[in-house]
Amino acid sequence: ETGVTQTPRHLVMGMTNKKSLKCEQHLGHNAMYWYKQSAKKPLELMFVYNFKEQTENNSVPSRFSPECPNSSHLFLHLHTLQPEDSALYLCASSWGQGPDTIYFGEGSWLTVV
Amino acid sequence: AQSVTQLDSQVPVFEEAPVELRCNYSSSVSVYLFWYVQYPNQGLQLLLKYLSGSTLVESINGFEAEFNKSQTSFHLRKPSVHISDTAEYFCAGTSGTYKYIFGTGTRLKVLA
Repeated sequence: ETGVTQTPRHLVMGMTNKKSLKCEQHLGHNAMYWYKQSAKKPLELMFVYNFKEQTENNSVPSRFSPECPNSSHLFLHLHTLQPEDSALYLCASSWGQGPDTIYFGEGSWLTVV
Repeated sequence: AQSVTQLDSQVPVFEEAPVELRCNYSSSVSVYLFWYVQYPNQGLQLLLKYLSGSTLVESINGFEAEFNKSQTSFHLRKPSVHISDTAEYFCAGTSGTYKYIFGTGTRLKVLA
């Protein structure tokens, strides 16, 4: 059982819909991440939060909106997405202090139709 | 530029044969290196890591990797693979507290 839980595991949404992905970590970590994994492309870092503060926004389009209400929860709000946004979205967490192992959830498969 | 390179996108190998998955990192990437494994429909799981100390690190399921500073490499090896090792393997390094640089992945396919 992973210490990082993501819901939903699968999501199909239209381009005009608004939906959210949720991530919860049970590891007591301080840093949380959103990554995008597309076929045949490297893992793309989207956002990083450390102690609830956003420390990295990797030039992500505004149709993706993260929210980190506390160190254990992370959301990715989605609106007016494009078909090319279809991918596996991975949440991860780490201590956030010094080089350290990053732990991943099982991912949310997103399909935009 | 900071980068982690996995030269092989796919590696087919017969069961019980040895395998090596290659990973090279740019010298600007800090020498904290990781291998992750991703089974179908799952997230990435840590396989092993090098943070400091012995340059040879091992996982609980028989994989090992050796940090080679002169060749800027961190290749993953297993002397005898099983069907269950079929998965995608990612090499990663850190260049700072929050920046984990990932390679493009190597798909290992173990053949019966």
